[in-house]
Amino acid sequence: DVKVTQSSRYLVKRTGEKVFLECVQDMDHENMFWYRQDPGLGLRLIYFSYDVKMKEKGDIPEGYSVSREKKERFSLILESASTNQTSMYLCASSGGTFHTDTQYFGPGTRLTVL
Amino acid sequence: GQQLNQSPQSMFIQEGEDVSMNCTSSSIFNTWLWYKQDPGEGPVLLIALYKAGELTSNGRLTAQFGITRKDSFLNISASIPSDVGIYFCAGQFPSGNTPLVFGKGTRLSVIA
Repeated sequence: DVKVTQSSRYLVKRTGEKVFLECVQDMDHENMFWYRQDPGLGLRLIYFSYDVKMKEKGDIPEGYSVSREKKERFSLILESASTNQTSMYLCASSGGTFHTDTQYFGPGTRLTVL
Repeated sequence: GQQLNQSPQSMFIQEGEDVSMNCTSSSIFNTWLWYKQDPGEGPVLLIALYKAGELTSNGRLTAQFGITRKDSFLNISASIPSDVGIYFCAGQFPSGNTPLVFGKGTRLSVIA
């Protein structure tokens, strides 16, 4: 079974803090993704990565950065958290030999910025 | 970014009823995926479809990859309270190495 884990289920931070959200997958997947989910807006892609040390901007990259130093780990960084970044953050991975586009999601991190 | 047209946005049904939801796109896809998200959790893959016309079941769930490759539907038969959640469709463009495109979800409520 594919397992995608996220470092925290719930996180509360203050405006201006630097925030790290960590995601780890155990299926040797090449591709990893970060989404945010807000009511009525569905899943919006922030950043994705198709290989170690590679990153691509998604639909809403402003205010975020990412790091992929190892294949299994993909980190989302909020350099200076703001209240409009309060959201549910979801990590996903895909890859392998067959059906490489099928994404598997982590449990999510509910981030509140005060 | 492009999103799929998923309908309905929400449904309230009685326990035991059948449910149908669908997704349409102006573009063709090579893959259609259906996910379910329980409250406060990440989406879980329910059914994956990889071929036009394919009809696949997973217990009480049945999904089909439309023959035009621009649509897919998900049916749930004899709904139960634990079917409550948000159901998402997702599609993959034929060009391959691009992220999935997601629908905005159908929120299902089941009244016992």
